[in-house]
Amino acid sequence: EPEVTQTPSHQVTQMGQEVILRCVPISNHLYFYWYRQILGQKVEFLVSFYNNEISEKSEIFDDQFSVERPDGSNFTLKIRSTKLEDSAMYFCASSERDSFFTGELFFGEGSRLTVL
Amino acid sequence: GDSVTQMEGPVTLSEEAFLTINCTYTATGYPSLFWYVQYPGEGLQLLLKATKADDKGSNKGFEATYRKETTSFHLEKGSVQVSDSAVYFCALGEDDKIIFGKGTRLHILP
Repeated sequence: EPEVTQTPSHQVTQMGQEVILRCVPISNHLYFYWYRQILGQKVEFLVSFYNNEISEKSEIFDDQFSVERPDGSNFTLKIRSTKLEDSAMYFCASSERDSFFTGELFFGEGSRLTVL
Repeated sequence: GDSVTQMEGPVTLSEEAFLTINCTYTATGYPSLFWYVQYPGEGLQLLLKATKADDKGSNKGFEATYRKETTSFHLEKGSVQVSDSAVYFCALGEDDKIIFGKGTRLHILP
């Protein structure tokens, strides 16, 4: 069964360092998303991506964040200069259609980021 | 903005017990409502959904009814199994994103 894969599963970094989280969405999906969950809090929307551009982003997704689909298969989230409060589980998701209509996002297992 | 509130966990039940996980929402429009589940070591996956008032979503013995008058979408199951142990997320669809609650961890004891 096709699945979304994420790497790394866990990354520990020093404050101020750049981090890249990688995702391989399901191959025929067109819509891509990043969410994050700080421990004990809600799963928060970060950004949606369609047709090689950002379609929507939250207020969390400031200039420190960027997304890219560099080669048609990977979908990456970059944090330029990590802060302590960026420590969270980051989830990548993809969908075949606009999730508003189907509600069905396919999620990866998540990448846990720990900023020291 | 739109939001989802669900009951705090963890919830611990014995096998074959009745389950309710409460979820309420606030929304300016008429969102679709969802329950997602995350089993240990896996990503979130859609469990069930309802797209309009009074719709009932159901899957794997779980049910939830879209109640516009109480802005609720409570998850229920008549007889839980150990394999239902997971984290359950209530969510609503807005524009082209889905807004999630905090999740409720469910432990089922044999």
